[in-house]
Formats: sequence, structure tokens, C-alpha cells
Amino acid sequence: AQSVAQPEDQVNVAEGNPLTVKCTYSVSGNPYLFWYVQYPNRGLQFLLKYITGDNLVKGSYGFEAEFNKSQTSFHLKKPSALVSDSALYFCAVRSSSGNTPLVFGKGTRLSVIA
Amino acid sequence: DGGITQSPKYLFRKEGQNVTLSCEQNLNHDAMYWYRQDPGQGLRLIYYSQIVNDFQKGDIAEGYSVSREKKESFPLTVTSAQKNPTAFYLCASSIDARATSIQPQHFGDGTRLSIL
Repeated sequence: AQSVAQPEDQVNVAEGNPLTVKCTYSVSGNPYLFWYVQYPNRGLQFLLKYITGDNLVKGSYGFEAEFNKSQTSFHLKKPSALVSDSALYFCAVRSSSGNTPLVFGKGTRLSVIA
Repeated sequence: DGGITQSPKYLFRKEGQNVTLSCEQNLNHDAMYWYRQDPGQGLRLIYYSQIVNDFQKGDIAEGYSVSREKKESFPLTVTSAQKNPTAFYLCASSIDARATSIQPQHFGDGTRLSIL
């Protein structure tokens, strides 16, 4: 079975500081990993994905994520947080084998304080 | 612009009533999905469809029904059997649903359903 854990319900960070939103996963075989962002009363927007190759993936709005196979993690990072980054962030995973749908984590609310 | 349109944005249901949420996409995507979002529970998959006239149950299909008569449309009916329907419902699509697909899902802006 596939699963995703986002261990922090809420992350607070000061504007200009680096931010990290954590994600760990469990799949059979190799993972396809995704990060999405959701603003209030809106749908999810795709940020970045890891399929294969370089463990550091760069995405939209200055976000990046690091794939760590040994720790089964895919943490989202940004070097300098903006107030406008405040939103709900979702990690998602699916296996590269089989035909199962994407599984989402429960989300982490990021608050960037000016 | 291509995208996914969900309507209505807000919907109210009376006890014992069925309601239908609309989802239309003009992205020419094969696969479409319905999710339910509750605070603190993330997104839970209700139903998904990989091709016209075919769909599969997700994790929480009880009390819901869908149809996929056209590629661009995937309506969700919340039946009276769903005892706790109050939630934010999100529709999504992707180019295809195969495991080999690496394309992300595109989401609509949701329908918020409440009980009167």
C-alpha cells in the first residue's frame, strides 16, 4: 500500500528565513513524488515532481525538494520565505509500477510572518 | 485558456436529497478524479475514471456516484446515503492515469457542500 506522512500540521517561519516542509512516503517499488500548494478556497496547484535522476528538484516560485531514498523522504524547501508563500502544502506519491492512483498527505499549513 | 471548471462554487443540500456537482475540463485529458477535502484529513479519493464509460471506486466511494459519458465531463452525485456530506469537493484531471504517466494532476477550484 502507498502512504504519505506530513508530520507537521503547521510550520511557522519568519519572512526571509529558509523554510522546510517535511514529507515521508511508503510505496512498493520506486516512487513518483509530487508537491502541491493550495490557497484558501482554491484547488491545488502543482509545484514540482520527482520521477528519477537528480535528487534535488527545482520547481515553481523558487521552491525545491530533495529526494532521499534511504530516508524515504521528499522535503520541500525554499531558501528565503515570502509572506505570499503562506498556504497549505500537500505531498503526494504513487508507485512507478502497477496502476494505483496518487495518494496525498494530510497537508501542512505554512505561515510566513512578516 | 484550458482548465477545469467546477460548479456551483457553493451548494446546499437538504436531508434526503441527492445533489450533483459538475466538473468539466477542456484539457483533453483522459483521466479525471473526485476528491473530498475535510480539515486535517487532506484529500481522499472518491472515484476516478481513466477513460470514457469507465470508472473505479476510490477510498471513500460509499454514498457517492459518478458517470463518464463524455471525455470532458465527470459529474459527481452525492446521494442521501452519504450521511456526512459537508466538505470541500475537488475535481482533477491528468493526461492519463497509467502508472507510467509522470504528468501532474490539474485541479478545479472546488465546490463547497453544506447541509441545510
